Amino acid sequence: DGGITQSPKYLFRKEGQNVTLSCEQNLNHDAMYWYRQDPGQGLRLIYYSQIVNDFQKGDIAEGYSVSREKKESFPLTVTSAQKNPTAFYLCASSTHLAGGAGKAGELFFGEGSRLTVL
Amino acid sequence: QQQVKQSPQSLIVQKGGIPIINCAYENTAFDYFPWYQQFPGKGPALLIAIRPDVSEKKEGRFTISFNKSAKQFSLHIMDSQPGDSATYFCAASLNQGGKLIFGQGTELSVKP
Repeated sequence: DGGITQSPKYLFRKEGQNVTLSCEQNLNHDAMYWYRQDPGQGLRLIYYSQIVNDFQKGDIAEGYSVSREKKESFPLTVTSAQKNPTAFYLCASSTHLAGGAGKAGELFFGEGSRLTVL
Repeated sequence: QQQVKQSPQSLIVQKGGIPIINCAYENTAFDYFPWYQQFPGKGPALLIAIRPDVSEKKEGRFTISFNKSAKQFSLHIMDSQPGDSATYFCAASLNQGGKLIFGQGTELSVKP
């Protein structure tokens, strides 16, 4: 089945450690996104990538890093510089083209990764 | 100017009621307004979307009303069911999709 796979689903980290969240998609979408979800704040954009080997900062990029070496993969690293990393992280992908998986502009989300800093 | 403000934060209705969730935006260049539905522990999924050249769109029991002059749009759920209990997010974007700016979310509970 086509979709987005995020792993791990739950992750615990000690303060001062970096952690990498995995996101893989088999929808052949060009664009991929990372959002952070906190109660009462909606979804806030961390980073996005519209094409392989290129990515842009979103609204809350400080303390995070990404790479886009393959079309299917967009891993997110939460660094020790992120002041308040405990959150639910959502990866998404989209196509800007009509046809294919989903409507143009529709975001497909993974099931999320919940990170807790101890 | 890039914000989307959503209200209420939470909503409780009885089965069969018509919950209404409202969103407001500032940037008149936004040209795509979707609503996403999220169940606990899952990622959001697209529910319905509208473009600013129409004032209303219906899909099943879900209706978006769009008021371009007031820069507001709302989601109505007709004949609501307990299975509609979820968190609903409005959003807006430029260039007809892709990078979305989300509202704060509304947690809806439909009581049997």
